[in-house]
Amino acid sequence: QVQLVESGGGVVQPGRSLRLSCAASGFTFSTYSMHWVRQAPGKGLEWVAVISNDGGIEYYADSAKGRFTISRDNSKNTLFMEVNSLRSEDTAVYFCARETSGALPRYFDYWGQGTLVTVSS
Amino acid sequence: DIQMTQSPSTLSASVGDRVTITCRASQSISGWLAWYQQKPGKAPKLLIYKASSLERGVPSRFSGSGSGTEFTLTISSLQPDDFATYYCQQYSLAWTFGQGTKVEIK
Repeated sequence: QVQLVESGGGVVQPGRSLRLSCAASGFTFSTYSMHWVRQAPGKGLEWVAVISNDGGIEYYADSAKGRFTISRDNSKNTLFMEVNSLRSEDTAVYFCARETSGALPRYFDYWGQGTLVTVSS
Repeated sequence: DIQMTQSPSTLSASVGDRVTITCRASQSISGWLAWYQQKPGKAPKLLIYKASSLERGVPSRFSGSGSGTEFTLTISSLQPDDFATYYCQQYSLAWTFGQGTKVEIK
């Protein structure tokens, strides 16, 4: 069955960097575009970024441009998100999600359980 | 950017009630709308895609309708497992979520 398991969250000081990972299993990872979505405590879902199946195309929400970098290693079935210059407003649970296959446009059919990032001194 | 607005933000209902949640888009998204259910501390779960298509395994008491800018999610007879927060998502142009509707016990 499809599984997405995020890791890498924790308490980080403002201004520092962090790399989140999402380990995928149960499907052919290299054939799917993947996304990161975040959720601040008690708030709604915010789409952050997407990467194409081969890693050749990346696209970011305006709030993520410049400090967030999405990447993937298809040989290891793993998705990454690097966040630089962390701010208090980056405090959130970060989810990875799989984009559906087939005809465009596409939505998300599987999500990981999320990893909590807390930015605090 | 396309903005998504859900109403109400909170809905109090009883088991067996018929529940309707509305989602409005700031511009036409045709039928490119999905609905997700999220329980506290859990990942969102896909319920409906393309405005009215039920995801495999989702109970038939869930239904969706609408097109263009106005959409609804209906739960025909609310069950104890349905108390959760529901989000709409447009995927016509990038991806945007509504702010969520919490369905709580009356």
